[in-house]
Amino acid sequence: NAGVTQTPKFQVLKTGQSMTLQCAQDMNHEYMSWYRQDPGMGLRLIHYSVGAGITDQGEVPNGYNVSRSTTEDFPLRLLSAAPSQTSVYFCASSYRDQGFREQFFGPGTRLTVL
Amino acid sequence: GEDVEQSLFLSVREGDSSVINCTYTDSSSTYLYWYKQEPGAGLQLLTYIFSNMDMKQDQRLTVLLNKKDKHLSLRIADTQTGDSAIYFCAESNNAGNMLTFGGGTRLMVKP
Repeated sequence: NAGVTQTPKFQVLKTGQSMTLQCAQDMNHEYMSWYRQDPGMGLRLIHYSVGAGITDQGEVPNGYNVSRSTTEDFPLRLLSAAPSQTSVYFCASSYRDQGFREQFFGPGTRLTVL
Repeated sequence: GEDVEQSLFLSVREGDSSVINCTYTDSSSTYLYWYKQEPGAGLQLLTYIFSNMDMKQDQRLTVLLNKKDKHLSLRIADTQTGDSAIYFCAESNNAGNMLTFGGGTRLMVKP
């Protein structure tokens, strides 16, 4: 199993550009989520999904879109990048009936918006 | 809303015990978690405790939960240099679909 994979590892954008951060898992997990990590603030939940076709907002959803067309993939779209979106982004997945007791994180994408 | 607080930094000598503390506000949390993050890596789940327990031990790790005071701690016995990392506590909401993280405690282990 590859676990949770994220691409790209690093990205630099200009203000106003759009891009998609990719996340995939091969563990057949129902639950997937996106977090951003900023210094001293821990991780904050952006969006999550409890299964294919179902998504919901987390704590900081503004400026981001998600979709879940398959169990494996959960891409995060930045529609019009802003410097405030400079952060490290983590994707995570778990079985729904395990809650977060078996949650796996991807290695992260470091995004800089100029 | 939920709030999880941790001290920013802890320094210990190799072989000593480390105690990392966390306070939380959501009394309906069913599970509380400890994660470890090494430099440049994602988070790794270390251990978790169910809210009706007050202690859980797993090899060198001991988790203590004081539900009345909403205080959670992680004790690492015989701390090693490989334990140097950032440690996050987190609580899940009652529905079990969201995690709220603390800001993380950076543990530095000196040889």
